[in-house]
Amino acid sequence: EAGVTQFPSHSVIEKGQTVTLRCDPISGHDNLYWYRRVMGKEIKFLLHFVKESKQDESGMPNNRFLAERTGGTYSTLKVQPAELEDSGVYFCASRLGVFGTEAFFGQGTRLTVV
Amino acid sequence: AQTVTQSQPEMSVQEAETVTLSCTYDTSESNYYLFWYKQPPSRQMILVIRQEAYKQQNATENRFSVNFQKAAKSFSLKISDSQLGDTAMYFCAFLEYGNKLVFGAGTILRVKS
Repeated sequence: EAGVTQFPSHSVIEKGQTVTLRCDPISGHDNLYWYRRVMGKEIKFLLHFVKESKQDESGMPNNRFLAERTGGTYSTLKVQPAELEDSGVYFCASRLGVFGTEAFFGQGTRLTVV
Repeated sequence: AQTVTQSQPEMSVQEAETVTLSCTYDTSESNYYLFWYKQPPSRQMILVIRQEAYKQQNATENRFSVNFQKAAKSFSLKISDSQLGDTAMYFCAFLEYGNKLVFGAGTILRVKS
């Protein structure tokens, strides 16, 4: 069974450009999360999808960030326009809908804004 | 809002020794899950151990065990017989009923030979 996959693994863009990150969860996992880790610090929650609906987007830093999960399958996280402070590693995780099940993580996308 | 605190940014342990990583959390929920995840260098995050708040018995997975103190809101991880492969960043995480998963800042563990 395929795990959680994220594309691209690395991205270097200039300030002001747009970048779209993609996450393919494990098939059948209703819950999909996006997290960001900046400079080795804590893993900060960004948002949580249940199927195609945004359950909680309280961690989204500002309106330059837009997440979608069309059809409840893969998800995209778009940053437009990117700023220097957006640099970091963006993780995606997915879980089954049963309370208490573990989350499975992707390998992360390292975003560098220069 | 739920918060998870890991007060040890870095820890070191000699191979074959025992080490304990600390985690405290804050919540008003009565039922929840706690997890320890590890992220080895340049690798994906994986689950180490899981504890349900309603279970009084501490979870154990081979060399990994937890000390869950619900009243104190403490959830420490004990690694026995440490191995070089245990070198990783360890994250404590809290899952509330609404399925939001929140992480602590992490503890870097280095196992020395």
